[in-house]
Amino acid sequence: GDSVTQMEGPVTLSEEAFLTINCTYTATGYPSLFWYVQYPGEGLQLLLKATKADDKGSNKGFEATYRKETTSFHLEKGSVQVSDSAVYFCALIVGGSQGNLIFGKGTKLSVKP
Amino acid sequence: DGGITQSPKYLFRKEGQNVTLSCEQNLNHDAMYWYRQDPGQGLRLIYYSQIVNDFQKGDIAEGYSVSREKKESFPLTVTSAQKNPTAFYLCASEPGTARIMNTEAFFGQGTRLTVV
Repeated sequence: GDSVTQMEGPVTLSEEAFLTINCTYTATGYPSLFWYVQYPGEGLQLLLKATKADDKGSNKGFEATYRKETTSFHLEKGSVQVSDSAVYFCALIVGGSQGNLIFGKGTKLSVKP
Repeated sequence: DGGITQSPKYLFRKEGQNVTLSCEQNLNHDAMYWYRQDPGQGLRLIYYSQIVNDFQKGDIAEGYSVSREKKESFPLTVTSAQKNPTAFYLCASEPGTARIMNTEAFFGQGTRLTVV
């Protein structure tokens, strides 16, 4: 079935370090891909998205490129800040047996000053 | 503004009681979802609904029930059969079968349920 696999955390970085969170997917159709962010005690907020192959989503210095050939959507940021500390979820939307919406397990990021 | 609203934000329940969590959206979305999140864990799907008057069990439906009588509402009842209900519950919606490809899922702010 459709699925999303994220690198396991937690990930701890120093401020201004480079961030990569890996995400790969399996989907029978042509999914739209998303990264969501969750701050403590809150719901999920959309961080960025890409709806077709080779699209690059970007927001707040974060980027991810929809790679159909490697079925990946890795999240990157060149210089993280303490305020980026949160849990990041990779997700896809495509028609399937579990409804359309499929999430990865989430990756907790902690950024130290 | 369109959005998705969960209420209440915090909920306390005595053991053996049923409790209902509210989820309302005014985005005209067909599909709605309920997830459970335990501390330090990811999202686990409880139930989802792709259309009014229809819903499907997710991975952890035991001890929960839902209804979808209206397009904008998808309440979740945590029954006394749920042995460990203390968790953070998240509701989401997305356009569903009639979706526009570049439209994402929206989440409520969550309800934290504590059994006392």
